[in-house]
Amino acid sequence: AQSVAQPEDQVNVAEGNPLTVKCTYSVSGNPYLFWYVQYPNRGLQFLLKYITGDNLVKGSYGFEAEFNKSQTSFHLKKPSALVSDSALYFCAVRDIMRGSYIPTFGRGTSLIVHP
Amino acid sequence: SQTIHQWPATLVQPVGSPLSLECTVEGTSNPNLYWYRQAAGRGLQLLFYSVGIGQISSEVPQNLSASRPQDRQFILSSKKLLLSDSGFYLCAWSVGSGGANEQFFGPGTRLTVL
Repeated sequence: AQSVAQPEDQVNVAEGNPLTVKCTYSVSGNPYLFWYVQYPNRGLQFLLKYITGDNLVKGSYGFEAEFNKSQTSFHLKKPSALVSDSALYFCAVRDIMRGSYIPTFGRGTSLIVHP
Repeated sequence: SQTIHQWPATLVQPVGSPLSLECTVEGTSNPNLYWYRQAAGRGLQLLFYSVGIGQISSEVPQNLSASRPQDRQFILSSKKLLLSDSGFYLCAWSVGSGGANEQFFGPGTRLTVL
């Protein structure tokens, strides 16, 4: 089985400060990991993914994420937060061994960046 | 470039009425297609997915159904809506069978059942 957890419902950060949105996963084999962002009343937008290779993945809008196999984590980070980063963030996982089409999404973390 | 359309954008329907939501994808062939529902709050619930024309897999038993009459068209239907069907419905697509490719989401349909 595959599962993903986003332990924080909400993350608050001041503009200009670094931000971290946490994600941990559980899979039988090796994971494919994804981050998406959702602005109010919009569909999800893809930010970045880890498939293989370098553990540090860089994505859109200055976001990056670090794959940590020993801690089964894939935390989303940004060195300097912007007010416009305020949105709902979803982590998703696909288990390479389980099957190819269906990802499991976390419940989402609301990021609020204060001016 | 690829584009995904959903309509209508918003819909208010009485309990017991039928439903038809449509999703079309442009700029790609043989996509994997997905219907999700997002209830108030946030979590995404996968309703249906399709890997080809006429091939539909249901993830959650309910009064909804899906069809894929054409390669890039995915329709979500109901014969009789329930109050619990209210939510934000998202269509998505991806390509490939290896699971490494990201999904692309449509703009969504906000359904309110009264």
